[in-house]
Amino acid sequence: GENVEQHPSTLSVQEGDSAVIKCTYSDSASNYFPWYKQELGKRPQLIIDIRSNVGEKKDQRIAVTLNKTAKHFSLHITETQPEDSAVYFCAAGPGGYQKVTFGIGTKLQVIP
Amino acid sequence: NAGVTQTPKFRVLKTGQSMTLLCAQDMNHEYMYWYRQDPGMGLRLIHYSVGEGTTAKGEVPDGYNVSRLKKQNFLLGLESAAPSQTSVYFCASSPTGGIHPQHFGDGTRLSIL
Repeated sequence: GENVEQHPSTLSVQEGDSAVIKCTYSDSASNYFPWYKQELGKRPQLIIDIRSNVGEKKDQRIAVTLNKTAKHFSLHITETQPEDSAVYFCAAGPGGYQKVTFGIGTKLQVIP
Repeated sequence: NAGVTQTPKFRVLKTGQSMTLLCAQDMNHEYMYWYRQDPGMGLRLIHYSVGEGTTAKGEVPDGYNVSRLKKQNFLLGLESAAPSQTSVYFCASSPTGGIHPQHFGDGTRLSIL
């Protein structure tokens, strides 16, 4: 089955700096790579996703890049703000009804 | 449109007791999932369902059973609770017709003493 590794497990940045979270996956059949943000005590919420036919996707201060050859994808957050503090999860899977496998999460702390 | 609703939100059980967690979605989604979330281990899939009347095992199915008698509901059962099942449980759903993200419920915090 799919194996997703995520790092770092914790990340502290100063407000206004950029944050990068990296994930690798093992199954070449994976075509769908969502990222979720989970605030303390809340549900995971999708913030951005990318499909294998796209190398990069941006949404305001958030971007995701995908390298299918190397089997890794990354989340980039620019101009970080205190409200970006949360746990971020990457995931990978074939898409459709088939399950995605989640990484262990990265706890991001943005220091004002 | 409530999305994905989980009940109860909190529960404390004694070892050996049984209980059922209910997940209900009002988005007419075909696929539903049960995860458990433990510190340092991310979200791990327990069981999932690709449609009414169907269920399948995920990564960590032992000690749990599920049922999907109605499309909108997905039940997770613990027949004989163990302390190792102390966790936060999340239900999620997603639609058919292509690749779509999963929508999560608010979670059930379960403690087993």
